[in-house]
Parts: sequence; C-alpha cells; structure tokens
Amino acid sequence: NAGVMQNPRHLVRRRGQEARLRCSPMKGHSHVYWYRQLPEEGLKFMVYLQKENIIDESGMPKERFSAEFPKEGPSILRIQQVVRGDSAAYFCASSPSAGSEDTQYFGPGTRLTVL
Amino acid sequence: DAKTTQPPSMDCAEGRAANLPCNHSTISGNEYVYWYRQIHSQGPQYIIHGLKNNETNEMASLIITEDRKSSTLILPHATLRDTAVYYCIVLLSYDKVIFGPGTSLSVIP
Repeated sequence: NAGVMQNPRHLVRRRGQEARLRCSPMKGHSHVYWYRQLPEEGLKFMVYLQKENIIDESGMPKERFSAEFPKEGPSILRIQQVVRGDSAAYFCASSPSAGSEDTQYFGPGTRLTVL
Repeated sequence: DAKTTQPPSMDCAEGRAANLPCNHSTISGNEYVYWYRQIHSQGPQYIIHGLKNNETNEMASLIITEDRKSSTLILPHATLRDTAVYYCIVLLSYDKVIFGPGTSLSVIP
C-alpha cells in the first residue's frame, strides 16, 4: 500500500504566479488534511477535507488560498498570486474512512519557493 | 495552542533507551495521545498512539499514566537515525493536529 503522495516535491514560482500542490491520499482514505511549515517554524493546520466537502478551513488564509478534494483525483491546494511569505513546506495527511482507526499519515511534502 | 508540554531537547546515547516525557494534564476522556516525529525537514512520521492502555509496536512503546495526565514514549534501542523532533499530541477522532514545539532528540554515538 503506497503512502501519501505529494507532487511536485519542489516548486519554484515567481511573485504573482499561481501554485498548485497535489496530494493523493493512501488507498482507502477519504479524509485529507493540509498543513504548512514556514521556515524555522512548526507545522500549522490549514484545512481538512473529505471527498467533495471542506470540513474545517479555520487555518486557511482568508485570501488567495483554496483547497478542494474532488470525487475523482487528488486533493489540490491552490495559492493564487504567490508572495515571498508563501515560501514554505506544505504537507498533506490522510486518514481512513469513518471508523475507529483514524490515524493521520503524512506525505513527504511540497517545498514551495517564491522568488 | 498545543495541549501538551514537552522538554525542548534531550540527548540519548546510541543503543540506549530513549525516554521522552509528555505532560497533558487537561486531556479529556475521549482524546487520544499520539506521537509523531519529524526527521530533518521530512514529513511527520506516525509512531504510536493510545487512549488508556500502554501500547507497543515495532517502533516504540507508549506508557500512559493511570490518570492520563502524562505519558512517556520509549525508543528501546536508539540509533542515530532516531535523531528527530518528537511531537506528543492529544487528539480527538477526525480532528486537526495541533503541533507544539516538540522535543528535539539527539542520539549521540
């Protein structure tokens, strides 16, 4: 069973461009969480999604950031008009469908660099 | 804010047991204790979790006090590859993980 997949692993964007980060959860997992780790800081929760639904977006910046988890395909974290302060490592985690085992398993992350 | 308190750093000799403490005095009855670690800048790695009982897996053991206000993660034979930041987290089912600063464990040759 492959783990959580994220791509790209490294992404370089210029200020004002768009960044799209993809997360493929583990097989059988229908819950996806996104976290951000700014340089020299801890991990911070951004958003929690189930298939086609946003459950908790309390950690998402109010502007320029959006997330989706469509019925088919990976979860996408989209950052519009990137700024230098968006440079960070973005991690997604997935957990299984409803049940007693809901451990979150993390992917390797996408390192975003904004020039 | 994280609901746990951990020492900021610890050292452990290679081959010895590493005992990482965690205080979670405000834990509620249905919150689990989870441990993750982050090696360098990799994605956090799940280690172990428990509710009330002590737990053991191939990576570590988790000892939870009877009152559940504290716990200890035990790495039985630490290796250099265990050098990482270890996070103790209390968590409801299907809830976001709130990471504190964790404990930076250095395994020394």
